[in-house]
Amino acid sequence: EAGVAQSPRYKIIEKRQSVAFWCNPISGHATLYWYQQILGQGPKLLIQFQNNGVVDDSQLPKDRFSAERLKGVDSTLKIQPAKLEDSAVYLCASSLWGITYEQYFGPGTRLTVT
Amino acid sequence: AQSVTQLDSQVPVFEEAPVELRCNYSSSVSVYLFWYVQYPNQGLQLLLKYLSGSTLVESINGFEAEFNKSQTSFHLRKPSVHISDTAEYFCAVSETHGNQFYFGTGTSLTVIP
Repeated sequence: EAGVAQSPRYKIIEKRQSVAFWCNPISGHATLYWYQQILGQGPKLLIQFQNNGVVDDSQLPKDRFSAERLKGVDSTLKIQPAKLEDSAVYLCASSLWGITYEQYFGPGTRLTVT
Repeated sequence: AQSVTQLDSQVPVFEEAPVELRCNYSSSVSVYLFWYVQYPNQGLQLLLKYLSGSTLVESINGFEAEFNKSQTSFHLRKPSVHISDTAEYFCAVSETHGNQFYFGTGTSLTVIP
């Protein structure tokens, strides 16, 4: 079974630029999560989708972050404009519907904002 | 919201020695508990989990963790570590009636030859 795929793996941008990350969950997983992991900290949930609907985006900085999952499969997370403090690893995870305690994580995208 | 505390940010230990990584969480409500491992440049991998039943859970590679409800703890232990166990370990908590995972800040385990 293929795991959660993410791209790119690494990205370096200057502050005030825009960036987008892509995630392809495990086939059949209806629930998709985006986490932000700042160096030295544990992952923090940014947004959770159930199919193409948002379940929880309470910790998403909506003035600069946006995410979509148009067809209930792939998802993109965008930052516009980026700030220095957005430097982090962005992790995507997925789970079967209703089985939120079985989350499978992708390798992450390491973002460096200079 | 839950708060997860991993008191030890770094734990160096000699090969074949025992190790304990500590994890405490804040809430007394019913929870699920997890340990994830993260190797360099890789994503999080589930090491073991407690959902219900026996309070002692084990992984396939020799780690075990015990759920202690009265102390709100879920410490991870291994009787004899290997070089390959060098990694970052994260404790996570999810309320049984909630969706969100709450992660600790991680413990970096370094096994010294």
